[in-house]
Amino acid sequence: QSVLTQPPSVSAAPGQEVTISCSGGNSNIGNNYVCWYQQLPGTAPKLLIYDNDKRPSGIADRFSGSKSGTSAILGITGLQTGDEADYYCGSWDSTLSMYVFGSGTQVTVL
Amino acid sequence: QVQLQESGPGLVTPSETLFLTCSVSGASITSGGHYWDWIRQPPGRGLEWIGSIYFRGSSYHHTSLKSRVTISVVTSKNQFSLRLTSVTAADTAVYYCAKHMKQFQVFSPFDSWGQGIRVTVSS
Repeated sequence: QSVLTQPPSVSAAPGQEVTISCSGGNSNIGNNYVCWYQQLPGTAPKLLIYDNDKRPSGIADRFSGSKSGTSAILGITGLQTGDEADYYCGSWDSTLSMYVFGSGTQVTVL
Repeated sequence: QVQLQESGPGLVTPSETLFLTCSVSGASITSGGHYWDWIRQPPGRGLEWIGSIYFRGSSYHHTSLKSRVTISVVTSKNQFSLRLTSVTAADTAVYYCAKHMKQFQVFSPFDSWGQGIRVTVSS
């Protein structure tokens, strides 16, 4: 059972927007940065968002992140078929002294 | 550009020890100041962090795996390794090695990943 909770799946039509939530607690999201990873089928995860809302070089500005309290949100605008993937949030848990991942959300483009 | 590559057996017998190696190029494990980690993903499931090591000696491990996991640095080869004892079918997974983004910060995200190695535990 994951420390961080995400919806199992979200879907939308091409060009539309989706948001993915990530819920945690004070020991992780509440007092540490959140990041987001994209895992395309059969590949290793790739860092999409770090420090709550920053994009690494090369990541499209269609991807955005935000954090409020003990929850975070990943937004994807202008949805494309190439965005079909699993998305994971991640954060450090200061109480457990462990890195924790969300349960993962599958994005489907209708 | 940092590259990581996992290597090791694809099949391990139950109760035996799994040993994996991660070869790093484009960065120095001993002088770069970063933490280096192992992460796994059971078939059809999500990511599970295993543990982290820093060259100077700091290490962290998943609480439920702590008694079975050893992560070490092989300084002469710019590699780090994972040793997991007493494996069971529940340890069947794709194992990834990864690098933390920021120097000296175990809580920073992973910005470089290996391609992963599939390990099956079966007799």
